[in-house]
Amino acid sequence: EVQLVESGGGLVKPGGSLRLSCAASGFTFNYAWMSWVRQAPGKGLEWVGRIKSKASGGTIDYAAPVKGRFAISRDDSKNTLYLQMSSLQPDDTAVYFCAWEAEVATLHHWGQGTLVTVSS
Amino acid sequence: DIQMTQSPSSLSASVGDRVTITCQASQDISNYLNWYQQKPGKAPNLLIYAASNLKTGVPSRFSGSGSGTDFTFTISSLQPEDIATYYCQQYDNLPLTFGQGTRLEIK
Repeated sequence: EVQLVESGGGLVKPGGSLRLSCAASGFTFNYAWMSWVRQAPGKGLEWVGRIKSKASGGTIDYAAPVKGRFAISRDDSKNTLYLQMSSLQPDDTAVYFCAWEAEVATLHHWGQGTLVTVSS
Repeated sequence: DIQMTQSPSSLSASVGDRVTITCQASQDISNYLNWYQQKPGKAPNLLIYAASNLKTGVPSRFSGSGSGTDFTFTISSLQPEDIATYYCQQYDNLPLTFGQGTRLEIK
């Protein structure tokens, strides 16, 4: 069974940093393309970025609002995806989901999400 | 970025009704369009991929159609468990973009 479990969310002050993790199981993680998607309270879904598998070149792409502030990485030995967030602002407040692109750019499996609140 | 416009934003229907949601892309995306269902407090769940393909295990009352810029998502006979918000998502180009969502309620 595919499982994606996010962790690391919490309350952070504006300008602060936070690292989210996504522990994966039930599929071959090192071949997986993985995305982060966020959802602000009461709002719709917003793609944050994606990392390809190393076999596919390991390319990382970001949405414009987070480029230069957020960094996606992976540790295939630990089957874990990361999202390092810095220079956080109140409009980064959201539930952050990791998702597996079982087919390119199609988010077949999602984690349960972790809430990040940016507030003073 | 490719803009995805869903309509309606909200919809109230009765059990057994046929429900249709539309999604329009700001440019031609071929059939690179997915549909997701999100129930309150839960993660989204993929229902339809590549515009018209039903994900394994998804009930056959759900269907999708369209290509180019205009797409349709249909529930043939609404069930109480279908209460959710539905999103379209294009994957023709990065960034991946979603429609604003359609909130479906039972009348």
